[in-house]
Amino acid sequence: AQRVTQPEKLLSVFKGAPVELKCNYSYSGSPELFWYVQYSRQRLQLLLRHISRESIKGFTADLNKGETSFHLKKPFAQEEDSAMYYCALGSASKIIFGSGTRLSIRP
Amino acid sequence: DGGITQSPKYLFRKEGQNVTLSCEQNLNHDAMYWYRQDPGQGLRLIYYSQIVNDFQKGDIAEGYSVSREKKESFPLTVTSAQKNPTAFYLCASSPGRGVYNEQFFGPGTRLTVL
Repeated sequence: AQRVTQPEKLLSVFKGAPVELKCNYSYSGSPELFWYVQYSRQRLQLLLRHISRESIKGFTADLNKGETSFHLKKPFAQEEDSAMYYCALGSASKIIFGSGTRLSIRP
Repeated sequence: DGGITQSPKYLFRKEGQNVTLSCEQNLNHDAMYWYRQDPGQGLRLIYYSQIVNDFQKGDIAEGYSVSREKKESFPLTVTSAQKNPTAFYLCASSPGRGVYNEQFFGPGTRLTVL
């Protein structure tokens, strides 16, 4: 079964500390993975995608096929990073979303 | 913001009534999607459409219906058969049919059944 698991509902870190939001997936083919973000009072929007291999707002995510993971990382958290983060998996013609992790950055 | 709009922002419905949520986009996107967002469950796909006059069931289609008569519009009807309709509903669109295309989301409609 195709599935995306985000084990942490809430992650709280201090400003300037490293951040890692975990994402594991289950997929039989070659996965296409995304991270979406929803800031307070804003729409859900794409943060980054695996295929682009880019860094957005200081965030990176590396696909680890052996561990079936696509963790989102940032070396130094900023207060504006506080948001809801969703990991997502492209499957056929649709996208499967994880349950989300709320990231809270403490000053 | 713009491009994809949903109305109304808040909607209240009595039990046993059908209600239709509007989703419109002016991005010339082929594909449109409806999701339901519940606390702790992420986004669950209700229906999606890759082209006009065609749509497919998602993971939780029971109690919902859609139509895609125009490229710009993808309304969702929540019927009385939906057992737990109170939720936040998100509409999205993407340029093409493949999963590599970014999905653009609307602001959402919060439906409350009284």
